[in-house]
Amino acid sequence: GDSVTQTEGQVALSEEDFLTIHCNYSASGYPALFWYVQYPGEGPQFLFRASRDKEKGSSRGFEATYDKGTTSFHLRKASVQESDSAVYYCALGDYSGSWQLIFGSGTQLTVMP
Amino acid sequence: EAAVTQSPRNKVTVTGGNVTLSCRQTNSHNYMYWYRQDTGHGLRLIHYSYGAGNLQIGDVPDGYKATRTTQEDFFLLLELASPSQTSLYFCASSGGGAETLYFGSGTRLTVL
Repeated sequence: GDSVTQTEGQVALSEEDFLTIHCNYSASGYPALFWYVQYPGEGPQFLFRASRDKEKGSSRGFEATYDKGTTSFHLRKASVQESDSAVYYCALGDYSGSWQLIFGSGTQLTVMP
Repeated sequence: EAAVTQSPRNKVTVTGGNVTLSCRQTNSHNYMYWYRQDTGHGLRLIHYSYGAGNLQIGDVPDGYKATRTTQEDFFLLLELASPSQTSLYFCASSGGGAETLYFGSGTRLTVL
């Protein structure tokens, strides 16, 4: 079945560092790809999405480009802030008769001042 | 603003106990979902529904039942709770068709 792999379980950075969180997917069709962010004590919330090859999604300084060739959707930010500390989830949208999201295992980002 | 409300916020029960988690959405969305969140596993789909009376099986359904009584209300039932079901449970809704999921704040369940 379809799946999403996030290779980093935890990432620790200092403010103004460059962030990359890797996301690779496996899907039989042409899925939509998403990033969600979860702050402590809250549910995940939508960050952005992309639906076709080479499309870039972005929000709040974060961005990712849909790459069908490498089946990837890596999250990047040029300069992180302490307030970016959260868990980030990559997700794949699957329509196999009905709509569902398949999430990766999540990456805990900690940004130190 | 989309709204998904879960209750209770926290629940403690014993092994073999009967638990019902509630979720209500005021988004007029067709789709509702139940996920569990565990360290190392991320969010895993238990059950979902695309309308009142409909139920679809997710990826980790064993030990769980669910019922969608109205478009707004979706319940998760654990009839014989086990310690392995100790987890943080999230409900979500969406309009379907590649649309965004809106999550509630979660219910933390502990099974002793």
